[in-house]
Amino acid sequence: AQSVSQHNHHVILSEAASLELGCNYSYGGTVNLFWYVQYPGQHLQLLLKYFSGDPLVKGIKGFEAEFIKSKFSFNLRKPSVQWSDTAEYFCAVNAKSGGGADGLTFGKGTHLIIQP
Amino acid sequence: DAGVTQSPTHLIKTRGQQVTLRCSPISGHKSVSWYQQVLGQGPQFIFQYYEKEERGRGNFPDRFSARQFPNYSSELNVNALLLGDSALYLCASNPWSTVNNSPLHFGNGTRLTVT
Repeated sequence: AQSVSQHNHHVILSEAASLELGCNYSYGGTVNLFWYVQYPGQHLQLLLKYFSGDPLVKGIKGFEAEFIKSKFSFNLRKPSVQWSDTAEYFCAVNAKSGGGADGLTFGKGTHLIIQP
Repeated sequence: DAGVTQSPTHLIKTRGQQVTLRCSPISGHKSVSWYQQVLGQGPQFIFQYYEKEERGRGNFPDRFSARQFPNYSSELNVNALLLGDSALYLCASNPWSTVNNSPLHFGNGTRLTVT
């Protein structure tokens, strides 16, 4: 079975600080990887995804993530955060085997607060 | 374009009752998935339906059931409600039967409170 671990449950940063949110997964096979964001009062939105190819993926709003297969990691980064980045961030994984019909496995989330 | 729509937005039920939650996918999307998000946790996979057939099931008891209609909308049913069923229930849609090449689009969810 797959599992996802997000290392930081709460992160507080000042505007313009750099951000890195950790995500590790446990699954021995090939995976699809995702970061979703949930802004206050809004639905889950896809930030970025990795299916194959270049392990450095770029998403919306200046976010990027790097897939490091040897470390089973998919950390999210942003060079300079803004107050509007305050949200809950979820890492998710889906195994490519079985046609991917076993749903996404999410981490517990990281609550990010950006102070002006 | 309308996103994934869910109804109702909020619901309060008593232990032992039954509840039905509804979801309309994005137009053109044939797959609907259901997730349960307990406060402080990430969403947990319950079901996936594609072309009216169940394609995936998470680790939930038989009290949870779902179905998909010819117009691709879906219902999630929960019988014999327990206090622990209190959660945000999320519906997600995507065009195909898997998420391998088409990420999920989520609705705003139905907040279920069981008293």
